[in-house]
Amino acid sequence: GAVVSQHPSWVICKSGTSVKIECRSLDFQATTMFWYRQFPKQSLMLMATSNEGSKATYEQGVEKDKFLINHASLTLSTLTVTSAHPEDSSFYICSARDEGLEQFFGPGTRLTVL
Amino acid sequence: AQSVSQHNHHVILSEAASLELGCNYSYGGTVNLFWYVQYPGQHLQLLLKYFSGDPLVKGIKGFEAEFIKSKFSFNLRKPSVQWSDTAEYFCAVANTGGFKTIFGAGTRLFVKA
Repeated sequence: GAVVSQHPSWVICKSGTSVKIECRSLDFQATTMFWYRQFPKQSLMLMATSNEGSKATYEQGVEKDKFLINHASLTLSTLTVTSAHPEDSSFYICSARDEGLEQFFGPGTRLTVL
Repeated sequence: AQSVSQHNHHVILSEAASLELGCNYSYGGTVNLFWYVQYPGQHLQLLLKYFSGDPLVKGIKGFEAEFIKSKFSFNLRKPSVQWSDTAEYFCAVANTGGFKTIFGAGTRLFVKA
């Protein structure tokens, strides 16, 4: 199947700093990418849907000014957690969808905010 | 609003036992249905999907699922589990435009050798 990568796989930052997470579709073009957040022992919570060249659509309760999403190309979407706080610590997962509507998931990024 | 309900949060089985994981969804329109699996330390992988046609869908590793429209269900089955099936299983629903996929809470399966 198609491959989606995320970088970094783990990041530790200080409270108040910003962190950027990259999501890349390596062997296909993804017009749509999704960003999820997964808390320990819980399911994936959809944060936002990102379409190439347009503004992301955020789910209810997700602060768009805190979680900045940019989908500048058909193979790259970035999530920037601005002014991170300890409660933002989580596992962030992206997925990219191909033309067949199947989603391919990245390996996730573990964010720890001290 | 769309929602997905998985009935069992934890399931423990012995090898060779049969498996059925329940999934019910709530959505008024036409849907696409998925089962994903997450093995320990790995990322989500697609097990099988239903878009249209035969409601009995066969996926990888001997898994199958049946879409019962009248019951809004898409249960996952495997006749004989193996220790290597130990993982977390997520049911997911997307509208036919595919613009948003909602995941269930997941079911952790542990298979005893």
